[in-house]
Amino acid sequence: ETGVTQSPTHLIKTRGQQVTLRCSSQSGHNTVSWYQQALGQGPQFIFQYYREEENGRGNFPPRFSGLQFPNYSSELNVNALELDDSALYLCASSLGGIGSYEQYFGPGTRLTVT
Amino acid sequence: AQSVTQPDIHITVSEGASLELRCNYSYGATPYLFWYVQSPGQGLQLLLKYFSGDTLVQGIKGFEAEFKRSQSSFNLRKPSVHWSDAAEYFCAVGGRGGADGLTFGKGTHLIIQP
Repeated sequence: ETGVTQSPTHLIKTRGQQVTLRCSSQSGHNTVSWYQQALGQGPQFIFQYYREEENGRGNFPPRFSGLQFPNYSSELNVNALELDDSALYLCASSLGGIGSYEQYFGPGTRLTVT
Repeated sequence: AQSVTQPDIHITVSEGASLELRCNYSYGATPYLFWYVQSPGQGLQLLLKYFSGDTLVQGIKGFEAEFKRSQSSFNLRKPSVHWSDAAEYFCAVGGRGGADGLTFGKGTHLIIQP
């Protein structure tokens, strides 16, 4: 069984640029959630994708967007990067869509915005 | 809105001693409750979960947690800690419905003294 994988591991971007982070879900899982974890904080829910559609969203602006593909992998896109976007971005997969909270996390992508 | 409070930012425990990490949640109905562990530079690993039924749940690595509805608590315990337990521990709550993702506490940093 393959776990959740994320790429890249680390990324450095300049303020105002755009970034795309990628996630492959655990085998058999059809739901992907993205979280932002600032230094010293708990993860904060960005959004969730189920069957290629956004299923729910946390308190993040529209410049945070995503995609889910037919193989259930996912992308997180952030436009117009701000310094406060520097964080660890975590992807989690789960089985069952709405109501499925047994989420399995990837190792994360560390984004630094300068 | 759901929320999680972890009152202890840091806890220091001697190796071999018992451990209890506190978690209080706020949610209007019966929640889904979770404990995750995060080692430095890593993603989150699920330790245990409570959905319903027996209020004492067993997890991996010898951890257990007890759901107390009257106290809105879900404290994590381990009878004897090992040096490898040093990590960041997060309590999380998920509501029935799915769209809000998981809400995490700010975490408790566990330090193990030899």
